[in-house]
Amino acid sequence: KQEVTQIPAALSVPEGENLVLNCSFTDSAIYNLQWFRQDPGKGLTSLLLIQSSQREQTSGRLNASLDKSSGRSTLYIAASQPGDSATYLCAVRPRENYGQNFVFGPGTRLSVLP
Amino acid sequence: DGGITQSPKYLFRKEGQNVTLSCEQNLNHDAMYWYRQDPGQGLRLIYYSQIVNDFQKGDIAEGYSVSREKKESFPLTVTSAQKNPTAFYLCASRHMNTEAFFGQGTRLTVV
Repeated sequence: KQEVTQIPAALSVPEGENLVLNCSFTDSAIYNLQWFRQDPGKGLTSLLLIQSSQREQTSGRLNASLDKSSGRSTLYIAASQPGDSATYLCAVRPRENYGQNFVFGPGTRLSVLP
Repeated sequence: DGGITQSPKYLFRKEGQNVTLSCEQNLNHDAMYWYRQDPGQGLRLIYYSQIVNDFQKGDIAEGYSVSREKKESFPLTVTSAQKNPTAFYLCASRHMNTEAFFGQGTRLTVV
C-alpha cells in the first residue's frame, strides 16, 4: 500500500530565505505527483503537477523535482515571502488498487516571518 | 470562470439528521472525489466517481452516501449513521491524468 510522508512537519524561516520541502513515497509505481498549498480553513490550491516521466516542473519561484526510483520529491521555494505561509501537501497518484485516487502526505506547515 | 464550487461553506447538523453537501464543477472533468480532513490529520478519501452513474467507496465510506447523476455534480450526504461527522469536507475533480482541482471546502459541525 502506498504511503506518503513529508519532512519537516513544520518550518519557520525569515523572509527572503530559499527553502526545500520534502516528500517521500513508498511505491514508485505512480502516474504523477502533485504539490498543493492550503491556507487555514480553505481548500487546496494546485501548485505543480509532475508526471512520472518528468524530472521537474517550475512555476515562478517554485520548482518541484521528482526522483521516482528513490521515491522522493522536493519543492523548492526561492526568496520566500510572508504570503508563502501555508501548509504544503504532496499527493501521489498510484497505478494500482484505487487507480484514480490520490494518496496524500500529512503536509508541512510553513511560516515565513517578516 | 471555470472551477469547482462547494456549498454551503458552513453547515450545522443536529443529532440524527441527514445533511447533503453540494459539489459542482464546470471543468468538464470525468473524475470527482470527496475527502474528509480532521485537525492534525491528512486527507482521507470518502468516495470517488470516475464517470456518471458510477462511484466507488474510499477508505472511510461508512455513514456517507453519494450520487453521480450528472457529470457536473457529485453531492455527498452525511447520514445519521456517521457518528462523528464534524470535519472539513473537500471535493475535487480531475480529467484523466491531469491536475486535480479542489473546492473551497464545507465545514460541518454537529450541534
